[in-house]
Amino acid sequence: EAGVVQSPRYKIIEKKQPVAFWCNPISGHNTLYWYLQNLGQGPELLIRYENEEAVDDSQLPKDRFSAERLKGVDSTLKIQPAELGDSAVYLCASSLLAGGVTGELFFGEGSRLTVL
Amino acid sequence: DQQVKQNSPSLSVQEGRISILNCDYTNSMFDYFLWYKKYPAEGPTFLISISSIKDKNEDGRFTVFLNKSAKHLSLHIVPSQPGDSAVYFCAASGSARQLTFGSGTQLTVLP
Repeated sequence: EAGVVQSPRYKIIEKKQPVAFWCNPISGHNTLYWYLQNLGQGPELLIRYENEEAVDDSQLPKDRFSAERLKGVDSTLKIQPAELGDSAVYLCASSLLAGGVTGELFFGEGSRLTVL
Repeated sequence: DQQVKQNSPSLSVQEGRISILNCDYTNSMFDYFLWYKKYPAEGPTFLISISSIKDKNEDGRFTVFLNKSAKHLSLHIVPSQPGDSAVYFCAASGSARQLTFGSGTQLTVLP
């Protein structure tokens, strides 16, 4: 069974440029998460989807970040314009149910963003 | 406000010995706790979990202990192997089933 797939793995951009990350969750997983991981820190939730509905986006900086999950499968996370402080790893995760029956999430390998 | 804390950024252990990784939490509404393991350039992978109705859960070489009164949990790895070298994240969830992660502990198992 294929895991969570993310692309690109690495992205280097100049500040003020836009960037987009794509995630394909595990087949059949209704819940999709975007997490931000800064160096030396644990993942922090940006947004959680139940199918195509964003049920928790309280931590998403809406002035520059946006996300969508059309058709309740793939998801895209966009930053426009990017700032230096956005340099981090953006992790996508999915689970069968909200938080999983046991809270287990399946993570992708992450997209590492460097803003110059 | 860090609700899940891992106060040891790093830990080194000799191969074959026990590794003990610690985690403290402040939110009494957390009722499920998980440990994730992360290798460089990979996403975190689930390792073991425990419900608040238990105080111990064991899976092979890995055992998680929960002390609710102290709001403390620990992960024991016995015996430790070089392949266990990774960053270990403690995570907790409450009724919303949203995970809150600690900052991680880098475990290095020395051959």
